[in-house]
Amino acid sequence: SQQGEEDPQALSIQEGENATMNCSYKTSINNLQWYRQNSGRGLVHLILIRSNEREKHSGRLRVTLDTSKKSSSLLITASRAADTASYFCATDEGNRDDKIIFGKGTRLHILP
Amino acid sequence: DSGVTQTPKHLITATGQRVTLRCSPRSGDLSVYWYQQSLDQGLQFLIQYYNGEERAKGNILERFSAQQFPDLHSELNLSSLELGDSALYFCASSVEYGVQETQYFGPGTRLLVL
Repeated sequence: SQQGEEDPQALSIQEGENATMNCSYKTSINNLQWYRQNSGRGLVHLILIRSNEREKHSGRLRVTLDTSKKSSSLLITASRAADTASYFCATDEGNRDDKIIFGKGTRLHILP
Repeated sequence: DSGVTQTPKHLITATGQRVTLRCSPRSGDLSVYWYQQSLDQGLQFLIQYYNGEERAKGNILERFSAQQFPDLHSELNLSSLELGDSALYFCASSVEYGVQETQYFGPGTRLLVL
């Protein structure tokens, strides 16, 4: 199965509310990244958090990392219609290999 | 616009055929990655090149091959196509290699095998 798995698979919230997505992974990691994908388009990098960091902010995005639980969360505050997209976490496998492994994503739909 | 270009945008072909997908990385980026995205498998890493040499391999089938040329553009060749190869194929690039690098994705090539 996937190194990183997002939860929930799909999420619908009202515009203005906060959206929280979670990612769990299996092996130790060096970094964890979050990407966004608008329907049928390429992924866009949002934020990278290193294994020695616990929290990181970027605008309306807040990412946390709990290496003891092998999990990360992405919080989008004050959601907007433009936030409607799929969100993926991507992790390495803690080795020298350059591969990053993407989860299957959370589909976020912001309702007007 | 990420600066990564992919051609063609859409490709419709028949089973058993061979196609070539092309990717031009962002100016200055030395690493190129190929991914396959299908509904049931999600985004699967296929292969990575750095400055013309293969650096990492993922779930790439033997029927698929890739290369990166001296001008750093890359091509993904898919042969003996099967219905299950229908998917979105993304190319991404980064400045260097390593899991800390931000990958910049192209718009993708949508392949439909009939």
